[in-house]
Amino acid sequence: GDQVEQSPSALSLHEGTGSALRCNFTTTMRAVQWFRKNSRGSLINLFYLASGTKENGRLKSAFDSKERYSTLHIRDAQLEDSGTYFCAASSNAYKVIFGKGTHLHVLP
Amino acid sequence: DMKVTQMPRYLIKRMGENVLLECGQDMSHETMYWYRQDPGLGLQLIYISYDVDSNSEGDIPKGYRVSRKKREHFSLILDSAKTNQTSVYFCASRGQTHSGNTLYFGEGSRLIVV
Repeated sequence: GDQVEQSPSALSLHEGTGSALRCNFTTTMRAVQWFRKNSRGSLINLFYLASGTKENGRLKSAFDSKERYSTLHIRDAQLEDSGTYFCAASSNAYKVIFGKGTHLHVLP
Repeated sequence: DMKVTQMPRYLIKRMGENVLLECGQDMSHETMYWYRQDPGLGLQLIYISYDVDSNSEGDIPKGYRVSRKKREHFSLILDSAKTNQTSVYFCASRGQTHSGNTLYFGEGSRLIVV
């Protein structure tokens, strides 16, 4: 079936540095959404993209439906960015499939 | 205020007991979802509801059933809980915003089956 492959599974960054998370899709997806699971366990919406790129503060996301991937870039990482990041993608109007998540640990 | 509310937030049940997890949304969204989230596995789709009394199995429906009698409420039912159903369950609703067809999640219901 449709799959979302998220990488890396875990990532450690020092404060002030940056990196990128990536999701590859096994089929053409209509849209992608990125979430962060906070310390309380809640899933926080970061981005929704049907195409192109979006930026919000220190976060930037891109989605290429044709090439079947999406990325989430974090720059100038802060301690409060630590958490688990998930991408979720939809291949049809209803079904939304999640990646397995990236555990980000920001180090002082 | 756009909100998805789950009840209860925490629950401990014995094997074989019935479990009812409830979810409400105040956005009049047609589509709602139940997922479970386990370490290392991401979120796995249990059921989708397209609207009242219009539900469809997701990827892991076995051992679960759902009920949607009103658009704003979507319930997940375990008729005889098993220990491997210990998990965190997330409800979501999906609707159009200025950003797109966005998923909104509740805060999760942590179920422990002993």
